Amino acid sequence: AQSVTQPDIHITVSEGASLELRCNYSYGATPYLFWYVQSPGQGLQLLLKYFSGDTLVQGIKGFEAEFKRSQSSFNLRKPSVHWSDAAEYFCAVGARVAGNMLTFGGGTRLMVKP
Amino acid sequence: DADVTQTPRNRITKTGKRIMLECSQTKGHDRMYWYRQDPGLGLRLIYYSFDVKDINKGEISDGYSVSRQAQAKFSLSLESAIPNQTALYFCATSDFSTSGRLEQFFGPGTRLTVL
Repeated sequence: AQSVTQPDIHITVSEGASLELRCNYSYGATPYLFWYVQSPGQGLQLLLKYFSGDTLVQGIKGFEAEFKRSQSSFNLRKPSVHWSDAAEYFCAVGARVAGNMLTFGGGTRLMVKP
Repeated sequence: DADVTQTPRNRITKTGKRIMLECSQTKGHDRMYWYRQDPGLGLRLIYYSFDVKDINKGEISDGYSVSRQAQAKFSLSLESAIPNQTALYFCATSDFSTSGRLEQFFGPGTRLTVL
């Protein structure tokens, strides 16, 4: 079975600073990987996804993530954070077999200082 | 227009009451899911359904039941609510026909408080 770890429960960055949110997964083969964002009072919105091919994936809102097989990681990055990026971020992994479900990490709550 | 809707958005109830949370979707997806979100635990899968005649238990199904009334509707019931079922509940959908890539689309959530 797959699992996901997001080591940082809370992160605070200053507006305009760069951001990296960590995600480590456990799965025996190449998984499908996702990052979702949850703004206060909202559902989860997909930021980006990795299925195959280029290991650097571009998403919405200026986010990107890099799949590193050797480190079992899929870290989310943004070069310059905006106050509107304050939210909770979830990494998720899915196995490439029929009927398999997504497994979510515990989430990282991002706060942005003015 | 929301593709995945959940009703109610907020509910406060008492221990022992029966509660139903409803989910509807206009995306035409065949797969639907119910999750609960607790602080620090992320989202955990309660039940999922691949079509109207297919219902499956997820990681934490005890104390819950579901009904897939139509392709577009998937309801979650708490037969006798207890305080530790206080959580944020999400419905999600996905479309296996798009190469089965597991991408899920979420509703806005229902915040349930059991007193």
